[in-house]
Amino acid sequence: QSALTQPPSASGSPGQSVTISCTGTSSDVGGYNYVSWYQQHPGKAPKLMIYEVTKRPSGVPDRFSGSKSGNTASLTVSGLQAEDEADYYCSSYAGSNMGVFGGGTKLTVL
Amino acid sequence: QVQLVQSGSELKKPGASVKVSCKASGYTFTTYAMNWVRQAPGQGLEWMGWINTKTGNPTYARGFTGRFVFSLDTSVSTAYLQISSLKAEDTGVYYCARYHAGNSWSDYWGQGTLVTVSS
Repeated sequence: QSALTQPPSASGSPGQSVTISCTGTSSDVGGYNYVSWYQQHPGKAPKLMIYEVTKRPSGVPDRFSGSKSGNTASLTVSGLQAEDEADYYCSSYAGSNMGVFGGGTKLTVL
Repeated sequence: QVQLVQSGSELKKPGASVKVSCKASGYTFTTYAMNWVRQAPGQGLEWMGWINTKTGNPTYARGFTGRFVFSLDTSVSTAYLQISSLKAEDTGVYYCARYHAGNSWSDYWGQGTLVTVSS
């Protein structure tokens, strides 16, 4: 399974919204509603932000939302805050009990 | 509360083996699978595979077959990752994560174990 494609970087000013894309194929992102998103601050373990495309775990602010259209999933962060600056990774079920991550996107809050 | 606590950093020579442990607490160990993820220095996350904690059946991603072995000791709620014939390119942080295998997402993560392979 090949890594999902994410833009290397994204940025926005405090209070703005930013959307990060995650492009796969019909064998992963497009074939299943099993896309998840993880936030990782430097030196820390990843944290689950979104699962099953649109669902937010308890404790994750509703500023974070997920969506999917065809083979591309998206994570939108609204009302950007300084603490949102981190790396973000998408992941998808890829069939045959396998998963795959995206290459990661570094989000900068200007 | 759910916790996954991993063993400490390891420095190994090429050709040696290493075994990383991941001790779970705060939930019934066999209710959820365990996922393993690698992060090379300065790089992204790589999905290594997972192990069914009820049956012990492992699933390995391409690139993680042969030298990588997932195992369990359910009596102490611990999952293990063993890597043999270590190479320099195995250097990285290895994470375990509680895994929802049916829908492929991980909700709780260990703190990571740095494995450094250097002569």
